[in-house]
Amino acid sequence: EVQLSDSGGGLVQPGESLRLSCAASGFTFSGYAVSWVRQAPGKGLEWVSAIGRDGVTHYADSVKGRCTISMDNSRNTLYLQMNSLRAEDSAVYYCARYSYDSSNFYGMDVWGLGTTVTVSS
Amino acid sequence: IQLTQSPSSLSASVGDRVTITCRASQGISNYFAWYQQKPGEAPKLLIYAASTLQSGVPSRFSGSGSGTDFTLTITSLQPEDFATYYCQQLTYYSLTFGGGTKVEIK
Repeated sequence: EVQLSDSGGGLVQPGESLRLSCAASGFTFSGYAVSWVRQAPGKGLEWVSAIGRDGVTHYADSVKGRCTISMDNSRNTLYLQMNSLRAEDSAVYYCARYSYDSSNFYGMDVWGLGTTVTVSS
Repeated sequence: IQLTQSPSSLSASVGDRVTITCRASQGISNYFAWYQQKPGEAPKLLIYAASTLQSGVPSRFSGSGSGTDFTLTITSLQPEDFATYYCQQLTYYSLTFGGGTKVEIK
């Protein structure tokens, strides 16, 4: 079965760091682009970061300079290293795979269940 | 690129036809998708490439539009369709979501 299992969330204090993980099963990341999307309590979806099939990384302005997305192809696992965490980073974080070509965007078709990050003193 | 969804919420009855719109601040061609999210669940892909129905999604859902204006239509709303709907665009450097439309029971 094709699925993503995200983990690593927890309660941290402002200024601390956290690393989220997203393990793929039933497929290999190398054939797709992958992304982190977050959702603060009662709010909408916010794109956080992505790594394309070409390995190029992209970040939302809200996390640029504080987060690093990476992938371990040997483990088929995606990571999001988050530093200098703020209260406004508190959210459920989802990993998702997506694909595109020169003509179309095929959408984020597989999502993890989400892992909750709470930043509070 | 900013995506503006409207309305932000609506009330409808089972059997109603529902239309949600999403306007992009710049043209985005076919790099556009729609998602459904129910409380406590991850989003679910409904429509990709602006108008292509994802496998397994009921045919009462349809998408249309191009350039800057896109529409999600649900013909004959069913009880399981009460949820929040999001549009999304892809550019080389970002993936942006609209603010969401909550579809509630009238």
